[in-house]
Amino acid sequence: ELKVEQNPLFLSMQEGKNYTIYCNYSTTSDRLYWYRQDPGKSLESLFVLLSNGAVKQEGRLMASLDTKARLSTLHITAAVHDLSATYFCAVDPGTYKYIFGTGTRLKVLA
Amino acid sequence: GAGVSQTPSNKVTEKGKYVELRCDPISGHTALYWYRQSLGQGPEFLIYFQGTGAADDSGLPNDRFFAVRPEGSVSTLKIQRTERGDSAVYLCASSLTSGYQETQYFGPGTRLLVL
Repeated sequence: ELKVEQNPLFLSMQEGKNYTIYCNYSTTSDRLYWYRQDPGKSLESLFVLLSNGAVKQEGRLMASLDTKARLSTLHITAAVHDLSATYFCAVDPGTYKYIFGTGTRLKVLA
Repeated sequence: GAGVSQTPSNKVTEKGKYVELRCDPISGHTALYWYRQSLGQGPEFLIYFQGTGAADDSGLPNDRFFAVRPEGSVSTLKIQRTERGDSAVYLCASSLTSGYQETQYFGPGTRLLVL
């Protein structure tokens, strides 16, 4: 059974600090997605990573994928309050059925 | 352009009742997916449609759950004899096709509460 694990599950950080969220998965896949979810809202697509070594950046967020290690990271640079949300990674093992991690709830403190 | 829309946004029902949840995908998207998200969890796959047919319903928890997409656009998720454990947010997503590398775009969800 494919498992997707994120850590940390909860993250409270000060504005201006850097941090990394990790997403580990248990089977072969070279497609990984990062989504953001605000409270009571739906999932907003952030990044699509489609090959080993893929790196994408948008603003203060940067995502990378290492398919050999079955690991993706979401790095936050100089966090701001507006980044407070829950972040999910999702793996597509080739069956279009996304398998989501449990999410990382990020709170950025002013 | 318009995104995925879902109605109702909230639904409160009593145990044993029947409910229908509706999803309007992005125009032109042929693939449609239903997921269920329990509190504090990531979404879990329920069913996938390619066109009008259910290509994979392996995620439906039991035979009380059923979904249709008769004209290849709007989809309805139907839950019979609801139970308290069915309470969750039901998310619909669509993608242009079901092919490799297609991003799924999610709707706002329907929050179902079974009393």
